[in-house]
Amino acid sequence: DAKTTQPTSMDCAEGRAANLPCNHSTISGNEYVYWYRQIHSQGPQYIIHGLKNNETNEMASLIITEDRKSSTLILPHATLRDTAVYYCIVRGGNKLVFGAGTILRVKS
Amino acid sequence: NAGVMQNPRHLVRRRGQEARLRCSPVKGHSHVYWYRQLPEEGLKFMVYLQKENIIDESGMPKERFSAEFPKEGPSILRIQQVVRGDSAAYFCASSPSAGGTTYEQYFGPGTRLTVT
Repeated sequence: DAKTTQPTSMDCAEGRAANLPCNHSTISGNEYVYWYRQIHSQGPQYIIHGLKNNETNEMASLIITEDRKSSTLILPHATLRDTAVYYCIVRGGNKLVFGAGTILRVKS
Repeated sequence: NAGVMQNPRHLVRRRGQEARLRCSPVKGHSHVYWYRQLPEEGLKFMVYLQKENIIDESGMPKERFSAEFPKEGPSILRIQQVVRGDSAAYFCASSPSAGGTTYEQYFGPGTRLTVT
């Protein structure tokens, strides 16, 4: 599975959009980009995934660059409950390979 | 619509005892994954099972750890002769029957094992 690079931490004001970047320059053609988050030692929560096209669901949007070497997770209106560690994972097989993730702190 | 269930949520064992962690997947899911999160570290894959089969155990320690997912009942992660270094949060995840890279894994709340 390809390696990902994410910023260690980010702050976001409550009610504003949170944009979390991820670099995955070695991604191969059949690998998907997955995003999970972990709120205070709870079990990881699935957010969204995509292959080539941008994706949107009730939680977030995923923007993947045309060359697929990077992506951005967008939480459109961050709330305090979105404070968590966000993991960007490039997945080519059955298992998920978690990195250190980005600590997102949403502040009022 | 029950999600992944794990029990116990907290488990305390003395060094040398056995620990048994149980995972009931989402109803209808036949693929189960176990991950371990050591204190202040990220989650690490341990093992992937389908009903009655171990598919990938590349993340399992070679000794003392075993996993099963029988035809009936929950998946079990078993740790024999626990040591202090086994203290961690153990998470189970499940995915739909088809498995594969296009299906998300749903995680349980975890079992926090403390070895004294």
